[in-house]
Amino acid sequence: GDSVTQMEGPVTLSEEAFLTINCTYTATGYPSLFWYVQYPGEGLQLLLKATKADDKGSNKGFEATYRKETTSFHLEKGSVQVSDSAVYFCAPSGSARQLTFGSGTQLTVLP
Amino acid sequence: NAGVTQTPKFRVLKTGQSMTLLCAQDMNHEYMYWYRQDPGMGLRLIHYSVGEGTTAKGEVPDGYNVSRLKKQNFLLGLESAAPSQTSVYFCASTSTGAGHTQYFGPGTRLTVL
Repeated sequence: GDSVTQMEGPVTLSEEAFLTINCTYTATGYPSLFWYVQYPGEGLQLLLKATKADDKGSNKGFEATYRKETTSFHLEKGSVQVSDSAVYFCAPSGSARQLTFGSGTQLTVLP
Repeated sequence: NAGVTQTPKFRVLKTGQSMTLLCAQDMNHEYMYWYRQDPGMGLRLIHYSVGEGTTAKGEVPDGYNVSRLKKQNFLLGLESAAPSQTSVYFCASTSTGAGHTQYFGPGTRLTVL
């Protein structure tokens, strides 16, 4: 079945630092790829997505590029803010559009 | 437009008790899902449905049953709760359209004593 390897946390950065969270996956075919974010005590929210190879998803300053050759979908942001503190999940989608989640990466941004 | 709602938000059960979690969506989505979230393990798929009257097993279906009698509702049942089912449960839904983003409910925190 599908699987996801996500950069382990926790990750602690200072405000305005550069962020990279690595994500690699194994899946059948060419799935759509997603990054979800979970703020404390809340459900998951879509952060960005990419539906085909070489697509770049972007939102709120975050970016990730669908790399078919390396089966990766790394999340980046050039300058993090305290409000970006959350747990980030990488997930490819399956045949019934179900998501296979990584274990999540806890990000804490210090002022 | 409320999106995806879940009831109850919190519940404490004793071992062996039963309960039903309700998920409702008002986006006319075909696909619905139940996940559980445990510390350090991300979310794991329990059961899902690709349309009214259909259900299928996910990664961790044992100890759970589901029903999708109406398109907008997806029920998750625990017939005989066990401490291993202590978790946070999330419901999600998505459409058949391109890009198929899943929309999540706020979660139900279940504790089984």
